[in-house]
Amino acid sequence: DQQVKQNSPSLSVQEGRISILNCDYTNSMFDYFLWYKKYPAEGPTFLISISSIKDKNEDGRFTVFLNKSAKHLSLHIVPSQPGDSAVYFCAFTSIQGAQKLVFGQGTRLTINP
Amino acid sequence: NAGVTQTPKFRVLKTGQSMTLLCAQDMNHEYMYWYRQDPGMGLRLIHYSVGEGTTAKGEVPDGYNVSRLKKQNFLLGLESAAPSQTSVYFCASSPGDRYNSPLHFGNGTRLTVT
Repeated sequence: DQQVKQNSPSLSVQEGRISILNCDYTNSMFDYFLWYKKYPAEGPTFLISISSIKDKNEDGRFTVFLNKSAKHLSLHIVPSQPGDSAVYFCAFTSIQGAQKLVFGQGTRLTINP
Repeated sequence: NAGVTQTPKFRVLKTGQSMTLLCAQDMNHEYMYWYRQDPGMGLRLIHYSVGEGTTAKGEVPDGYNVSRLKKQNFLLGLESAAPSQTSVYFCASSPGDRYNSPLHFGNGTRLTVT
């Protein structure tokens, strides 16, 4: 029973264009949503987050969108750069609960020059 | 500033052997976690700790034990390794002072059980 699904295992985008990564969830108890980025042989690093009371959060080239009615989370990267090539995980948690994160399966993003 | 350090980085075990993975953090974080990453399954929580001397089960705790005798260290033990425990193991820590503090991850331990 997967509570979080990233349906695209991989995504290839041209440098300078927009990258859109998607995540769907089923658990209505989630109220804090995050994106982590992972390079090979390294641990995941925090990228951006959003709480359930918002529907959009921006940080430079990165914007996260939350559609609670559809239980859908997305990450937009504009413009995409070669250094953005990595695996991206969405992660979910409840404010009550020791910050235990539930992760998606990951999407491998490749930015082509 | 080392952050979260995991040792060893790689290990190969034979079925039935035991080992301990060590996680150390130098950020005075209250919360610590052990996750495993398997292809196509993302990261899954094994065990976690909300303070020195406390531990709790996560999503996939079977076959593992943990201890948090010192605040800065979180140990993950495999008493009798099985091939199904072949995975990459990540330790993480968090201040625990507010719900939106990001987790800080180590660089992982790649374990192969033959």
